[in-house]
Parts: sequence; C-alpha cells; structure tokens
Amino acid sequence: GENVEQHPSTLSVQEGDSAVIKCTYSDSASNYFPWYKQELGKGPQLIIDIRSNVGEKKDQRIAVTLNKTAKHFSLHITETQPEDSAVYFCAATSRGAQKLVFGQGTRLTINP
Amino acid sequence: EPEVTQTPSHQVTQMGQEVILRCVPISNHLYFYWYRQILGQKVEFLVSFYNNEISEKSEIFDDQFSVERPDGSNFTLKIRSTKLEDSAMYFCASSSQGALDSGANVLTFGAGSRLTVL
Repeated sequence: GENVEQHPSTLSVQEGDSAVIKCTYSDSASNYFPWYKQELGKGPQLIIDIRSNVGEKKDQRIAVTLNKTAKHFSLHITETQPEDSAVYFCAATSRGAQKLVFGQGTRLTINP
Repeated sequence: EPEVTQTPSHQVTQMGQEVILRCVPISNHLYFYWYRQILGQKVEFLVSFYNNEISEKSEIFDDQFSVERPDGSNFTLKIRSTKLEDSAMYFCASSSQGALDSGANVLTFGAGSRLTVL
C-alpha cells in the first residue's frame, strides 16, 4: 500500500522568510495530494491540494509542487507570518479512493 | 462555515471499558470517516462509512471497533473493550463524495477526541 514520508518533523523560520516542507510517496497510482494545517485545539484543515495532471499550484503565499517521476511533492510558504505557526500534514490518495495516507506531520514555528 | 463537531474533547477510561466517541458531520455530507493519531505518529485511516454501511476499513479496525449512524445527524465510533494502545486522538471527518480526488470534494475534519486509556 501507499506510504508517505514527510520532512522535516520540526521547522523554525524567521517571520518573513520562506518555509518548505517535503513529502515522498511510494505508490505511482496516487494522483491526489492535499496539504492540511492543524492549529492547536482544531482538526486538520485543507489549505491546498494538487492533482497529478499539474506540476505546480499556487494560492497567494502558499504553493505546492509535484514531481511524479521522483514521487515527491512539496509545500512552499512565502513571507511567513506568525499565524502560519501550526502542524502541517501532507497526504496522498489514488483515483476513486476513500482514504488518505498521511505523512508524519511538520511542526512549523514562525519566530517574530 | 460548516464544521464537523466531535464530543467529548477528552475522555479518560480504564482498560477494558467501552467507549463511544460521537461526531456530527456536515449536514449535506454523505461519507463519514474515522482516523486516529497516536501521539507522535501519523494520522491513520480507520474506517469509511456510506449509506449506513462500512465501505472500507483498515487493519486497525478490528472486531473491537464498530461504527454507527444512530440517527440523521450523529456518527459514532465504539471501542468495545479498550486497551492501552487505543490511547490516541480520534478524528471524525466527512465529505460530500466518496472519491477524495474528485472535483471540489473536500475531506473536512473535526477537532478530535483525545482518548486516554489507563
């Protein structure tokens, strides 16, 4: 079955700098890759996703890139702000599937 | 914005006791899920539920676990005889469609129920 690995487990950046979180997946059939943000006391919330027919997607300060050949995808946050501090999870699933396979999570801390 | 609500937020129980975790999915969603996260580990899929029956379950979801939609709004996870290793955060989620890669389908999670088994 699918296995998703996520790095780093913790990341600390200065406010205004960029943050990059990387994930790899094992199943070449996976075609949908969402990213979730979990703030303290809340459930994971979808922030951006990408499907395997595109290589990059951007939404304001957040972007995700996908390399199908290498089976890895990354989350990029630019101009980081204190409210970006949270745990970020990557996930993968295949066509028609009803379950997500998650990475281990990255605790991102933005230092003022 | 519609949200998935879960109760209780934290439950402490003795090993061997039965536990029921409750969830109210988003009202127009048809697919319901339970995931869990043991402290320091990955979020893991447990079960998906549609049209009053289980559509998929993981190896974790053994005979000690059951799910039910007892009425039109609640979705429950029952652990029949809790073990120490059942201590985890349990997340309920819902979606409007079953295929998570389709169109605008979004898997929406609740805030979780933390279960501590002593």
